[in-house]
Amino acid sequence: QLQLQESGPGLVKPSETLSLTCTVSGGSISSSSYYWGWIRQPPGKGLEWIGSIYYSGSTYYNPSLKSRVTISVDTSKNQFSLKLSSVTAADTAVYYCARRRRSGPYGMDVWGQGTTVTVSS
Amino acid sequence: DIQMTQSPSSLSASVGDRVTITCRASQSISSYLNWYQQKPGKAPKLLIYAASSLQSGVPSRFSGSGSGTDFTLTISSLQPEDFATYYCQQSYSTPNFGQGTRLEIK
Repeated sequence: QLQLQESGPGLVKPSETLSLTCTVSGGSISSSSYYWGWIRQPPGKGLEWIGSIYYSGSTYYNPSLKSRVTISVDTSKNQFSLKLSSVTAADTAVYYCARRRRSGPYGMDVWGQGTTVTVSS
Repeated sequence: DIQMTQSPSSLSASVGDRVTITCRASQSISSYLNWYQQKPGKAPKLLIYAASSLQSGVPSRFSGSGSGTDFTLTISSLQPEDFATYYCQQSYSTPNFGQGTRLEIK
């Protein structure tokens, strides 16, 4: 079955760029039916959607993070990636990748296990 | 931005109880409402999509209802494994989540 796996550094220094990758296995990221996205959860807090990408490369982002976020896709590797620039301690969180259907009233039905990123010098 | 407000923020209940969690949107979202369950240290799990459709593999004691701005998640008979945090999420526009409802054992 489809699985998602996040990877990347667990520690990032303030003002630097956070970079994470989500690897899709058991299915193709090039499916025309799905968006692929990132969600984060600060310690002890709720969920925040960061942004999503379609296999063609079209993206949409949370307006509150848009100026610092870039999401890209590499269909040859069946991966998509997140870059978040100019990080501060407020960006410390568990970062999840997830899949959702491209259209219609559907939820995010497949999630990665999450990866913890700490912003600290 | 569409704001999602859940109530209550926390809830204590016993095994076998019927429990209802409410989610209100700041404007109409039709049926573009999803419910997730999250256990400590785990990723969220989709329970209900399109306000009332049960995700494959989810027990039938979970149900959802509502449309427009007011939605509910009901657990008909609480089981020990149901104690967790529940989130609503709208997919009508830029996705966002409610603040969560923590369901604890009484």
